[in-house]
Amino acid sequence: EIVLTQSPGTLSLSPGERATLSCRASQSLSSNYLAWYQQRPAQAPRLLIYDASNRATGIPDRFSGSGSGADFTLTISRLEPEDFAVYYCQQYGSSPRTFGPGTKVDIK
Amino acid sequence: DVQLVESGGGLVKPGGSLRLSCAASGFSFSTYSMYWVRQAPGRGPEWLSSISSVSTYIYYADSVQGRFTISRDNAKNSLYLQMNSLRAEDTAVYYCATPPTEIAFWGQGTLVTVSS
Repeated sequence: EIVLTQSPGTLSLSPGERATLSCRASQSLSSNYLAWYQQRPAQAPRLLIYDASNRATGIPDRFSGSGSGADFTLTISRLEPEDFAVYYCQQYGSSPRTFGPGTKVDIK
Repeated sequence: DVQLVESGGGLVKPGGSLRLSCAASGFSFSTYSMYWVRQAPGRGPEWLSSISSVSTYIYYADSVQGRFTISRDNAKNSLYLQMNSLRAEDTAVYYCATPPTEIAFWGQGTLVTVSS
């Protein structure tokens, strides 16, 4: 089973600042099959990024994904008020398709 | 509009069974692989199972292997999860979802509570 580790656990920032979230896999991911999700309270997760760096349909361009192998990054270039949420990475290159424990982005 | 609507959740005693359903509309359900994902209170999502578009490939998490069974009926645009031998630790919101591609769909979830 591929284990995903996310850091930091919590990121305290102000609106307008840049957020950098990390996701590290216990082994290299097949074809960079890594996704990022955003989850707001009482809502289902929403897909932001797939295949490590491709934005999902309708996702603003302030969200970007990068990385390869076992190290991946989600960057939010300028935080909007609606971006304060929890972010999860998920690998889907092998079964089980594991999720990371999440990074909470909260308002400083 | 695209919709995934889960149903079938509720309160069940340990050792009991439930069958969850997910009704899909607004997209070509029969061409998509599908997932079941759950989220326990205060925790992150946990992938449970996936099924390919015509049920050729099925996978399970170790935590539910042998107890849960995923299936689909493309004629009815529906996905199912049969859950047997339920435990307290199965208490969670259960979501159906499509895998991460250019566009991904998630339902709003159905709550399963396992308690005596």
